Amino acid sequence: EAGVTQFPSHSVIEKGQTVTLRCDPISGHDNLYWYRRVMGKEIKFLLHFVKESKQDESGMPNNRFLAERTGGTYSTLKVQPAELEDSGVYFCASSRIMGDSGYTFGSGTRLTVV
Amino acid sequence: GESVGLHLPTLSVQEGDNSIINCAYSNSASDYFIWYKQESGKGPQFIIDIRSNMDKRQGQRVTVLLNKTVKHLSLQIAATQPGDSAVYFCAENMNRDDKIIFGKGTRLHILP
Repeated sequence: EAGVTQFPSHSVIEKGQTVTLRCDPISGHDNLYWYRRVMGKEIKFLLHFVKESKQDESGMPNNRFLAERTGGTYSTLKVQPAELEDSGVYFCASSRIMGDSGYTFGSGTRLTVV
Repeated sequence: GESVGLHLPTLSVQEGDNSIINCAYSNSASDYFIWYKQESGKGPQFIIDIRSNMDKRQGQRVTVLLNKTVKHLSLQIAATQPGDSAVYFCAENMNRDDKIIFGKGTRLHILP
């Protein structure tokens, strides 16, 4: 089966601009998660979708971040306006259930805000 | 790709030796634990998991040990190979459908 796909793989934008990251989970996976890793630090949870519903968005840093999953398939994460501290790698993961194999992560989108 | 090893503790191991990576987890209510491997430019990759009702689980060349008394998790890699070079994260979870919480990560460096 195809893995979790993220697009773009890299993005460089100026402070104040808008960026939209996309995640295509594994087909049939109802659970979709967004995480991010700021340089040199641990991977932090952002939010969790179950199908199209936000199950947990406690990790979203502020209202400049907006995640959607219309139709319960792919998800987008928009940052508007971007700030320097938003730089990092944004990972998406999906799972059918949290079974023995855990999540499957995408390769991430490396976001650089200059 | 991403410099995954910045500011992380580093474990240097001779090729062919065994590696032991340790992790202290935070929540005594966590009941599911996972080890992930992250190579530069890639997402975290599942290695092995363990439930809280177990204290040891073995996979291919890897073993995870869980000590709930002191909230400690370890990953043992047998006969370490160059391809094992990566950052290793432990993660914990309280509900199989809930978020997982990652630890800080350890960079494994293989010496020739």
